[in-house]
Amino acid sequence: GAGVSQTPSNKVTEKGKYVELRCDPISGHTALYWYRQSLGQGPEFLIYFQGTGAADDSGLPNDRFFAVRPEGSVSTLKIQRTERGDSAVYLCASSLAVRTGNNEQFFGPGTRLTVL
Amino acid sequence: GEDVEQSLFLSVREGDSSVINCTYTDSSSTYLYWYKQEPGAGLQLLTYIFSNMDMKQDQRLTVLLNKKDKHLSLRIADTQTGDSAIYFCAESIKADKLIFGTGTRLQVFP
Repeated sequence: GAGVSQTPSNKVTEKGKYVELRCDPISGHTALYWYRQSLGQGPEFLIYFQGTGAADDSGLPNDRFFAVRPEGSVSTLKIQRTERGDSAVYLCASSLAVRTGNNEQFFGPGTRLTVL
Repeated sequence: GEDVEQSLFLSVREGDSSVINCTYTDSSSTYLYWYKQEPGAGLQLLTYIFSNMDMKQDQRLTVLLNKKDKHLSLRIADTQTGDSAIYFCAESIKADKLIFGTGTRLQVFP
């Protein structure tokens, strides 16, 4: 079956603009995660959805960042008033969210965001 | 607190074994993972170990976990040029978010 897909693969925007990044998880996966990977760093957790609700948004850096998952499938990460420091690869992952055993997260290819 | 550390670079000759090390700080970690990231590609899960295990072997990969010292290692036997990539260790505490290390760039030379 299809893996996690993310669109766009690349996004170039100007400082101060608004951007939306989309994630399509694996069908049937109830958990969805957003991470951000800056150059030379490991992925950094942003937010985690269980179904439609955000179960943990402790990684969102500030209130310019917001994510939704209205129907419990596709998710959109929204960034307002983008800053150059927001430039990074934004990764999405999904999992079956089993509470016991290994909860393997499957990652998408990422969206590379460049803020000029 | 949550912090995962790795050395930045490792260079090995083809055919030798590679050992990539990782230390973590959160003793409540339940699972620990090794991911591989190749240029332009997504993160690929290589293997994982449950926190009550000391060792796990999967073909050319051996994971060792020293829970007392909070130290995790990944050994790749008979390293090939195709193993050149960045390797991330990650910890999971409540089957939720992953905390990743900074990554170790493995370079394999002939």
